[in-house]
Amino acid sequence: GENVEQHPSTLSVQEGDSAVIKCTYSDSASNYFPWYKQELGKRPQLIIDIRSNVGEKKDQRIAVTLNKTAKHFSLHITETQPEDSAVYFCAAHREGTYKYIFGTGTRLKVLA
Amino acid sequence: GAVVSQHPSWVICKSGTSVKIECRSLDFQATTMFWYRQFPKQSLMLMATSNEGSKATYEQGVEKDKFLINHASLTLSTLTVTSAHPEDSSFYICSAPGTSTDTQYFGPGTRLTVL
Repeated sequence: GENVEQHPSTLSVQEGDSAVIKCTYSDSASNYFPWYKQELGKRPQLIIDIRSNVGEKKDQRIAVTLNKTAKHFSLHITETQPEDSAVYFCAAHREGTYKYIFGTGTRLKVLA
Repeated sequence: GAVVSQHPSWVICKSGTSVKIECRSLDFQATTMFWYRQFPKQSLMLMATSNEGSKATYEQGVEKDKFLINHASLTLSTLTVTSAHPEDSSFYICSAPGTSTDTQYFGPGTRLTVL
């Protein structure tokens, strides 16, 4: 079935360093890839997304890259800050459906 | 942006009782809504797709007789956990799609604790 693998499951970085989280999807019909940040007990918040016709997108300290051939997409956070600490989920959306398949999540800790 | 609300935000109930959770789209209509369950330190798992005016579609392994879904109007879907047990304790989140099929708006979640 469809699945999205996400790595690493936990990530600790020093404040100011960069963090990279990687996802791999299985459904070649996926065409939209959002990234969510979730703080404890809160709803997932969309932080950036990318569509399959684009290879890279950047929004200030956050960027996402997509390699459609390899079915990989990655989240890059530069100049990390303690408030970036949270759980991050990637997701893949299949064209023509409403369904999201979520990755397993990455717990990011930014150490001050 | 679009807003989705959930009620209650948290609930504690005794084993064997039923609990109803509401999901509302506040400023837009949603013919489809989604119910997710999230156990501690785990990902969001889609439970079912709620369809206004028709039966819900359940994911494999989700008991439709235990998790009753009713999409009463274009702005309200309800999830009823029947005969709740401690293993049903979880964070339940709903979502509704926007005008395009790829965007989704998440509710704030409901934390259910079954004693």
